[in-house]
Amino acid sequence: ILNVEQSPQSLHVQEGDSTNFTCSFPSSNFYALHWYRWETAKSPEALFVMTLNGDEKKKGRISATLNTKEGYSYLYIKGSQPEDSATYLCAFRYNTNAGKSTFGDGTTLTVKP
Amino acid sequence: GAGVSQTPSNKVTEKGKYVELRCDPISGHTALYWYRQSLGQGPEFLIYFQGTGAADDSGLPNDRFFAVRPEGSVSTLKIQRTERGDSAVYLCASSSTGTGDYEQYFGPGTRLTVT
Repeated sequence: ILNVEQSPQSLHVQEGDSTNFTCSFPSSNFYALHWYRWETAKSPEALFVMTLNGDEKKKGRISATLNTKEGYSYLYIKGSQPEDSATYLCAFRYNTNAGKSTFGDGTTLTVKP
Repeated sequence: GAGVSQTPSNKVTEKGKYVELRCDPISGHTALYWYRQSLGQGPEFLIYFQGTGAADDSGLPNDRFFAVRPEGSVSTLKIQRTERGDSAVYLCASSSTGTGDYEQYFGPGTRLTVT
């Protein structure tokens, strides 16, 4: 069984705070790691696809890092805004079956104005 | 262009009934995925199509679940003899390819409630 763990399960921050959360995944047979944002009543939206150890990706105030050797990825949000409130999901793909994604249970972020 | 669409958006059915859930992927996307999401959990992989064929159906929970994609575009997820435990949001996604550095584009989901 492939375990993808996300922490914390939920997070409440004030507007303007910077925050980060973690996705842990198996360190062997790595193929790719995806981050998604899922706002209530909307479809999950792709944020990043990360494939190389040491990858760092950035989109606006959101960035992510990847460590495949130890099996973790961090997602950072700088200066959180209320519109950042959503569930952030990571999904792991392993190299023996690269079409299949295994998702974590997500981190639900609430940003208070 | 149009995104991934799913119909119906909500489906309420009685235990034991048969249901079909439809997914229209983004035009030209060869890969299509079905997931099931229960409250408080991440999406759980069900099946993945590459073109018309099921490349991986290892996530289908039992033989009551079946999915088809006969022309390599629209897909239908079929559930026979529904049980209350089948209640969940069923998500469909598509991507331009099933391997490599791709993004999956998700539909809004179908919320299935089995009473």
